[in-house]
Amino acid sequence: AQSVAQPEDQVNVAEGNPLTVKCTYSVSGNPYLFWYVQYPNRGLQFLLKYITGDNLVKGSYGFEAEFNKSQTSFHLKKPSALVSDSALYFCAVSLGGNFNKFYFGSGTKLNVKP
Amino acid sequence: SAVISQKPSRDICQRGTSLTIQCQVDSQVTMMFWYRQQPGQSLTLIATANQGSEATYESGFVIDKFPISRPNLTFSTLTVSNMSPEDSSIYLCSVRTRDTGELFFGEGSRLTVL
Repeated sequence: AQSVAQPEDQVNVAEGNPLTVKCTYSVSGNPYLFWYVQYPNRGLQFLLKYITGDNLVKGSYGFEAEFNKSQTSFHLKKPSALVSDSALYFCAVSLGGNFNKFYFGSGTKLNVKP
Repeated sequence: SAVISQKPSRDICQRGTSLTIQCQVDSQVTMMFWYRQQPGQSLTLIATANQGSEATYESGFVIDKFPISRPNLTFSTLTVSNMSPEDSSIYLCSVRTRDTGELFFGEGSRLTVL
C-alpha cells in the first residue's frame, strides 16, 4: 500500500533559525513528491514538487526539499524561518504518471516564534 | 495554475438536511477532485468528478451520500446528503491542469452539522 508519513505533529523553531519538516514515503513505483502549506481557514497552497532530475528542489517562499531515494524521504527545509511561515504543512506523493491519485501525510504544524 | 472558487465558504447545518457545495475553475481542467478534511486530520479523497459521467468514488464513500455532478470542464458540485455531526468537515475542491502534476485547491467549505 502507498503511504506518506510525517513523524512530527508539531515543529517549533525560533525566527531566523533553520527549519526542517520531515516526510517519508512508501510507494511501489516512481514517486512524485509534493509539499503543500495550509494557513488557518484556507485551502492548500502548492509549495514545491519533485518529479525527476536534481534531488534538491526549490519552491515558493524560500522553501526547498531534498529527495533522498535511499532513505525514501523528502524533507522540507528553509534556511531562516519567519513568523509568517507558521502554518500546517502537508507532504503528498503520487505514483509515476498517475497524478490522479495523491496520498497525503497527516500534516505537521510549524510554529515559528519571534 | 488555476483559480478555484468554492461556495459556500462555511455553513452551519441541521442534522438530516443536505447541502450542495459548488466549485468553479477559471480554466478548463482535466481532472477535478473532492477531498474531505476532518478536524485536525489530513485530506481524504472522496471522489474524482468526471465530466459527463458518474463520479468515481473512493472506498468508504458512496454516491447516495455524496452525489457529485460535473456538467462541464470548469464546474462541479458536491452534495452532502442527510447530514450528521460526523459530516462536520472541510470539503475541498481540487483540480489538476493538463500540463502540470500538482493539484490546486479551492479555499474549502467548512461545514458544521448540529
